[in-house]
Amino acid sequence: AQSVTQPDIHITVSEGASLELRCNYSYGATPYLFWYVQSPGQGLQLLLKYFSGDTLVQGIKGFEAEFKRSQSSFNLRKPSVHWSDAAEYFCAVGAFGEYGNKLVFGAGTILRVKS
Amino acid sequence: GAVVSQHPSRVICKSGTSVKIECRSLDFQATTMFWYRQFPKQSLMLMATSNEGSKATYEQGVEKDKFLINHASLTLSTLTVTSAHPEDSSFYICSATGTSGPIHQVQYFGPGTRLTVL
Repeated sequence: AQSVTQPDIHITVSEGASLELRCNYSYGATPYLFWYVQSPGQGLQLLLKYFSGDTLVQGIKGFEAEFKRSQSSFNLRKPSVHWSDAAEYFCAVGAFGEYGNKLVFGAGTILRVKS
Repeated sequence: GAVVSQHPSRVICKSGTSVKIECRSLDFQATTMFWYRQFPKQSLMLMATSNEGSKATYEQGVEKDKFLINHASLTLSTLTVTSAHPEDSSFYICSATGTSGPIHQVQYFGPGTRLTVL
């Protein structure tokens, strides 16, 4: 069965500092991987996705993620964090089937940005 | 593009009443819609997968008679919480995928509905 582990529940970084959010997945086949961001009381916004090809994927808002098959990881990075990046971040793995992707989410990482 | 709306954004109801939540894809046709439940400070739990014109597929442990899902058109799915109780209070989020192409491969999420049962 698919599973996703986000080992960090909370992360605090200073504004302008770099950021890396960790994500490890378990899936038997080639995974479809996603990062979503959720602001308090809101739905989820897609940051980026990996289906195949280049293992370094670029997303919106200056985020990128690197797929490392050998480590079963899909870590999210940003070189310089802005205060508006404070939110909760979810990594998800999808199994693409007849009706599109069925997603399994990690527990989420809450990002706090200090000025 | 790929905008999903939910209505209402917040609802408060009395125990024993039923509540209907709508999920609409505004600028694309959604073959499949998903309904999630999110408890405070927790991740999203998939409740059911809804395919246009057919019965929803519920995840293990989700009561299909309590959470009625209808996906009558390619742009609308509804979740009805029947005989709601305080333990049904939660944040309900829907998502949708398109019929073909890249939009078929990604779930686009609505803004969520906060249900409070008194």
